[in-house]
Amino acid sequence: GESVGLHLPTLSVQEGDNSIINCAYSNSASDYFIWYKQESGKGPQFIIDIRSNMDKRQGQRVTVLLNKTVKHLSLQIAATQPGDSAVYFCAENSGGSNYKLTFGKGTLLTVNP
Amino acid sequence: NAGVTQTPKFQVLKTGQSMTLQCAQDMNHNSMYWYRQDPGMGLRLIYYSASEGTTDKGEVPNGYNVSRLNKREFSLRLESAAPSQTSVYFCASRNPSGGIQETQYFGPGTRLLVL
Repeated sequence: GESVGLHLPTLSVQEGDNSIINCAYSNSASDYFIWYKQESGKGPQFIIDIRSNMDKRQGQRVTVLLNKTVKHLSLQIAATQPGDSAVYFCAENSGGSNYKLTFGKGTLLTVNP
Repeated sequence: NAGVTQTPKFQVLKTGQSMTLQCAQDMNHNSMYWYRQDPGMGLRLIYYSASEGTTDKGEVPNGYNVSRLNKREFSLRLESAAPSQTSVYFCASRNPSGGIQETQYFGPGTRLLVL
């Protein structure tokens, strides 16, 4: 989800559990969505993407679900590992062919061993 | 293949000083982007370059200028730094030719502190 000010939404899970991170996007005309993972002190790293003509896409241990009716995006991580601990951002392309991304504020995922 | 590289990694400036943040990519990507990230926030687009020779403003361009020097390099300049420009700056590149992934690939960031 989204946050106000400096306080990120947080999700704390046990190692081996499944994680679900949610994101509400803002522009109904957005046609492309991406999930990024950002570890402390590093740049965002691509996880998975989805186009607006799809409602589900699967990768290795990750699944992205898109609900255009309510402008909602989710990232599911199966069998969460300590290395998955990071801030996760959703981003939407509302800039057409120039792919100017608008980022959400992020969710902090903490995986407890 | 280094991907996207940024220099410097960290910089401290005094108010009013100028500096240029450098970015280079070796993936032969056409499009390049500059973002800033403030604590607890997502990234906000400053400027972008859809292709060599073109630049356009993003969401927060005030106080910045950019130069797309060639296909590989895209620099961000602060002419007169202000404390409000204290942030982490990320450069990204993208290959618009399509394929499975048209995503943006990010560099490691430059941490800027303006006193």
